[in-house]
Amino acid sequence: GAGVSQSPSNKVTEKGKDVELRCDPISGHTALYWYRQSLGQGLEFLIYFQGNSAPDKSGLPSDRFSAERTGGSVSTLTIQRTQQEDSAVYLCASSLAGGGEPQHFGDGTRLSIL
Amino acid sequence: GESVGLHLPTLSVQEGDNSIINCAYSNSASDYFIWYKQESGKGPQFIIDIRSNMDKRQGQRVTVLLNKTVKHLSLQIAATQPGDSAVYFCAENMDTGRRALTFGSGTRLQVQP
Repeated sequence: GAGVSQSPSNKVTEKGKDVELRCDPISGHTALYWYRQSLGQGLEFLIYFQGNSAPDKSGLPSDRFSAERTGGSVSTLTIQRTQQEDSAVYLCASSLAGGGEPQHFGDGTRLSIL
Repeated sequence: GESVGLHLPTLSVQEGDNSIINCAYSNSASDYFIWYKQESGKGPQFIIDIRSNMDKRQGQRVTVLLNKTVKHLSLQIAATQPGDSAVYFCAENMDTGRRALTFGSGTRLQVQP
């Protein structure tokens, strides 16, 4: 079966532009997570969606970052007015339910801000 | 633990040897733990998990050991193969409350043929 799919796989943009990153979770998974991984670092939590509950946004680094999940499936992470420090790999994961379940990751979007 | 940036701890082993990768986790309330393998340009790949009511769990060629007393987790890989070369991350999670995983800084495993 299909795993977590992310697009684009690479994105290069100029500082100050807005970017949208897409995540298609595994079918049937109710929980969806966004993480960020800077070069050579571990993963940093950004935001978590579980079913119809209000998302846990506690990891978003600034108000330039937002995410939505439409219809309980596809999610979009938006970064407004990008800065060079936003350069990283943005990873999406999904799990059957939240907490205590393996999270399955996509291959990420590598974002480079010039 | 603290991130070490580009200078990941590296474990170098000979093909066929057993590998042990260690991890100190941070939250004594964590009750679910996962090991991931990450190859270059790929997302983390689930290897094995363990809940806090266990101290050992075995998979295919892999064993995870959990010592809650000292908040230590280890991953043992038997008969290490060149395809095992990757960065390995431990992650912790609480079953309730915040559901996000907290990741360690990773260990690079290099398998010498």
